[in-house]
Amino acid sequence: NAGVMQNPRHLVRRRGQEARLRCSPMKGHSHVYWYRQLPEEGLKFMVYLQKENIIDESGMPKERFSAEFPKEGPSILRIQQVVRGDSAAYFCASSPYRGSYEQYFGPGTRLTVT
Amino acid sequence: QQQVKQSPQSLIVQKGGISIINCAYENTAFDYFPWYQQFPGKGPALLIAIRPDVSEKKEGRFTISFNKSAKQFSLHIMDSQPGDSATYFCAATPGSRLTFGEGTQLTVNP
Repeated sequence: NAGVMQNPRHLVRRRGQEARLRCSPMKGHSHVYWYRQLPEEGLKFMVYLQKENIIDESGMPKERFSAEFPKEGPSILRIQQVVRGDSAAYFCASSPYRGSYEQYFGPGTRLTVT
Repeated sequence: QQQVKQSPQSLIVQKGGISIINCAYENTAFDYFPWYQQFPGKGPALLIAIRPDVSEKKEGRFTISFNKSAKQFSLHIMDSQPGDSATYFCAATPGSRLTFGEGTQLTVNP
């Protein structure tokens, strides 16, 4: 399967715990975007990363959220001390190079905070 | 200025009919306008996209119409089928982050 992979598909965390979401881009793609979809809402941009580099994090909440895309391994979106408002679907998209317009989405991780 | 406005919020069409979804944008830096289709529990799938130097693009039953002067673009689904029932999102980008519309929930009745 050469598509974007995300895991876990479903994640349940209690308030105050940490959530780690993983994204493996399509083969040959070196750029990753993270988007959040709140219930009954559209997708909102969070962060844009290249291998070992954050290109645009203007959509990331200022606190508790961080993202990385190391030289080896998947991109990780990390949410510390989760709150109920963090419950959402988190989608990762990948593109082959900077300036490539087409973005291909993964199946998402549905985070539920209890 | 970064917003993309989408309408209608929901749409019900009979099988064989035409589904029309409209979007409007403000940011003139946007130069790529994709449409995504999303089924429940799935990720958005790229359906069709257009650049502003083209007024219309057709792929099978799906057509995008683009009006650069009005800053509007629309998706037409011809001969709509029950399998087209999904949520459709328009989007716009200057070449990096996507800005999405609010989504249209399409229901095609048999």
